[in-house]
Amino acid sequence: SQQGEEDPQALSIQEGENATMNCSYKTSINNLQWYRQNSGRGLVHLILIRSNEREKHSGRLRVTLDTSKKSSSLLITASRAADTASYFCATDLSSNTGKLIFGQGTTLQVKP
Amino acid sequence: SAVISQKPSRDICQRGTSLTIQCQVDSQVTMMFWYRQQPGQSLTLIATANQGSEATYESGFVIDKFPISRPNLTFSTLTVSNLSPEDSSIYLCSVATTGSYTFGSGTRLTVV
Repeated sequence: SQQGEEDPQALSIQEGENATMNCSYKTSINNLQWYRQNSGRGLVHLILIRSNEREKHSGRLRVTLDTSKKSSSLLITASRAADTASYFCATDLSSNTGKLIFGQGTTLQVKP
Repeated sequence: SAVISQKPSRDICQRGTSLTIQCQVDSQVTMMFWYRQQPGQSLTLIATANQGSEATYESGFVIDKFPISRPNLTFSTLTVSNLSPEDSSIYLCSVATTGSYTFGSGTRLTVV
């Protein structure tokens, strides 16, 4: 069953604006990851945040993790049309098996 | 991180037939994972492929429908048997090495 709930399900913004996506999960985790998928193609790994970390940055991406609330957010700053894609959070549970439980995903459209 | 070669990238199959998907990894990994992504949906874990033992299936997935082979530490196959239109999905393999998660490029299956 799905571990993660993501919101919003869909997001439409103008180029240059920031996009924020949220993910909630149900059980203890080892880490949480964010992936991007363009038009049903392969998954691109964006960022991994461990359970003992609270915030992580990578370029225009900022991820936060609140283990007390079992939630994470992905912020994309200064969005570009090329950021148009589906974004998924995925959790590797505290047993650290390597298998991932995915959220439902957020579809982001960035209008030029 | 590991590199995965997944084949075929896409196929159109007749109902009642089977499709076998292959994943080759460029390094030895203990566990490989198979996921399904139904149209417009997120990824769902099908099973964990273990070398030297039977695969471990998630709830809702059975070996008769999704037989998996794992003959060595760099290779695995997933067969989708007795195809029906409901099996039309993207199937992806994945591996997890220390702190790194890699996905194959996916196989887009259409059942007609």
